[in-house]
Amino acid sequence: AQSVTQPDIHITVSEGASLELRCNYSYGATPYLFWYVQSPGQGLQLLLKYFSGDTLVQGIKGFEAEFKRSQSSFNLRKPSVHWSDAAEYFCVVGNNAGNMLTFGGGTRLMVKP
Amino acid sequence: EAGVAQSPRYKIIEKRQSVAFWCNPISGHATLYWYQQILGQGPKLLIQFQNNGVVDDSQLPKDRFSAERLKGVDSTLKIQPAKLEDSAVYLCASSPGIINTDTQYFGPGTRLTVL
Repeated sequence: AQSVTQPDIHITVSEGASLELRCNYSYGATPYLFWYVQSPGQGLQLLLKYFSGDTLVQGIKGFEAEFKRSQSSFNLRKPSVHWSDAAEYFCVVGNNAGNMLTFGGGTRLMVKP
Repeated sequence: EAGVAQSPRYKIIEKRQSVAFWCNPISGHATLYWYQQILGQGPKLLIQFQNNGVVDDSQLPKDRFSAERLKGVDSTLKIQPAKLEDSAVYLCASSPGIINTDTQYFGPGTRLTVL
């Protein structure tokens, strides 16, 4: 069975600082990996996704993620955080037999002015 | 392009009552999903439809939950009878097809409180 672990429940960073959100997955084959963001009062929005190819994936809003098979990780990064990035971030693994997504528990990002 | 629509946005009921949620996916999207998101957790897939057929309902508590997607467009999710532990946000999502590279688009959700 596929699973996702996000070790950090809460993270606080200062505006303008760099950000890295950690994600570890468990899946028997090559996974399909996603990062979604959930802002207060808004629906879940896809930031980026990885299926194959280049292991460094660029997404919207200046985010990127790197797939590391040896570490079973798919960490999300942003070089300079903006106050509007405060939200809940979910790492997601999808199976390659269909479109079934398994979400991690989420990391809540707070941004200090 | 209109997004995924859900109603109602909020619902408060007593335990043992029944409740229904409605979802209208993005026009033309073949696949529709219902997720349950308990406070402090990530969403959990309940059921997946392709057109009007069920693809996966392995995590749907079938003794009290039911869902249908008549005519392959709108969908309703029903809980009867509700339990306290059903308090959660119910999210609907849709995608153009069932290909695993398709992006799922999520609605705003229905927040259910069971008292």
